[in-house]
Amino acid sequence: DSGVTQTPKHLITATGQRVTLRCSPRSGDLSVYWYQQSLDQGLQFLIQYYNGEERAKGNILERFSAQQFPDLHSELNLSSLELGDSALYFCASSLRQEDYEQYFGPGTRLTVT
Amino acid sequence: GENVEQHPSTLSVQEGDSAVIKCTYSDSASNYFPWYKQELGKRPQLIIDIRSNVGEKKDQRIAVTLNKTAKHFSLHITETQPEDSAVYFCAASMRYGGSQGNLIFGKGTKLSVKP
Repeated sequence: DSGVTQTPKHLITATGQRVTLRCSPRSGDLSVYWYQQSLDQGLQFLIQYYNGEERAKGNILERFSAQQFPDLHSELNLSSLELGDSALYFCASSLRQEDYEQYFGPGTRLTVT
Repeated sequence: GENVEQHPSTLSVQEGDSAVIKCTYSDSASNYFPWYKQELGKRPQLIIDIRSNVGEKKDQRIAVTLNKTAKHFSLHITETQPEDSAVYFCAASMRYGGSQGNLIFGKGTKLSVKP
């Protein structure tokens, strides 16, 4: 157990809908990273937050957005869902500001039907 | 941006043999290279990592080597066991603004260890 929690574990929804994925980092971690894992694209970085501020953006679609709250938990919002958005969504957090290691949560499996 | 290539995509070995997985990266500013093991349907788990100021690091049966000049790094697993069977991902990242940046992953290597 990495100490990073994610909810929900599974999510099944229809095309066009909107969902919110939640991540709680390890206690004391300031950075949260979101990754998408699909069969054809592998593990891809979406977005990073550091102490409440957006730090970096990867291949994140405009239909997707995220935020990190004052208690450091983060939410990833996916809207106007398409079949191709079906994937595993992981968040990861860094132990301390000066640390390198990222520890992953258990992921949320999103199925869009 | 950074690009990480990983080879081979699949690797099958006999129990007790060694396994080697290789990765190359494109951005010379990358300074941190972790390896993750992922079992089916589970989270990627950090198994070993190396920073750019180190050439080799060992942890029991696993080791990682880094060649900064050639921009490649490798994972070595000795005395493989069936429980080593999983998908292994290499990654690269760089540090900036006082915090570590995002990971750029290779496509993964599916390792099968046959008893």
